[in-house]
Amino acid sequence: DIQMTQSPSSLSASVGDRVIITCRASQSISSYLNWYQQKPGKAPNLLIYGASSLQSGVPPRFSGSGSGTDFTLTISSLQPEDFATYYCQQSYNTVRITFGQGTRLEIK
Amino acid sequence: QVQLQQSGPGLVKPSQTLSLTCAISGDSVSSNSATWSWVRQSPSRGLEWLGRTSYRSTWYYVYAASVKGRITIDPDTSKNQFSLQLHSVTPEDTAIYYCTRGAAGGFDSWGQGTLVTVSS
Repeated sequence: DIQMTQSPSSLSASVGDRVIITCRASQSISSYLNWYQQKPGKAPNLLIYGASSLQSGVPPRFSGSGSGTDFTLTISSLQPEDFATYYCQQSYNTVRITFGQGTRLEIK
Repeated sequence: QVQLQQSGPGLVKPSQTLSLTCAISGDSVSSNSATWSWVRQSPSRGLEWLGRTSYRSTWYYVYAASVKGRITIDPDTSKNQFSLQLHSVTPEDTAIYYCTRGAAGGFDSWGQGTLVTVSS
């Protein structure tokens, strides 16, 4: 299976901060990388697909970049509703879909 | 707008079968462009994709190696839904189970989640 490793595992930040979360794949996955946001008690919500395409309805302060093995999710100016856990997921190997372990974003 | 509504028991005894159903509105289980998956989440395993079904002139099924041999995902075109059966469950199968739709990129619609506890 393709291993997805996120860093950091947790992060403290303030409203208005710029935040970057990293995801690394154990092998090249081209641009088959998706990002999700999950709030407590809720299902994950798709933010970014194809490494850099913004899902419909997602605020433009969210952006994604990268290809191959290294990817980033950037939140340009944190809003109170952005404090949540973020996951990356590879869809390169469609018979062995895997997720990262998550990055918990907390209020400083 | 696609909506997925899950149903099924929240408590299953060890060695028995976990059964969940996901009713689809706003799309069709027979869609030629979507896939229909089950994903579970637990503190020990994180988010774990279990398998999917899809229709591309015929039905296709793909299952994760971790549950292969114990899992069945079945579409029901008459009710526009799909189901999960996980056989011979153990306490390690305790998790929140989600149904989800796969589209051109990523899983873009999710059910509300069902906490399933495996305990006698």
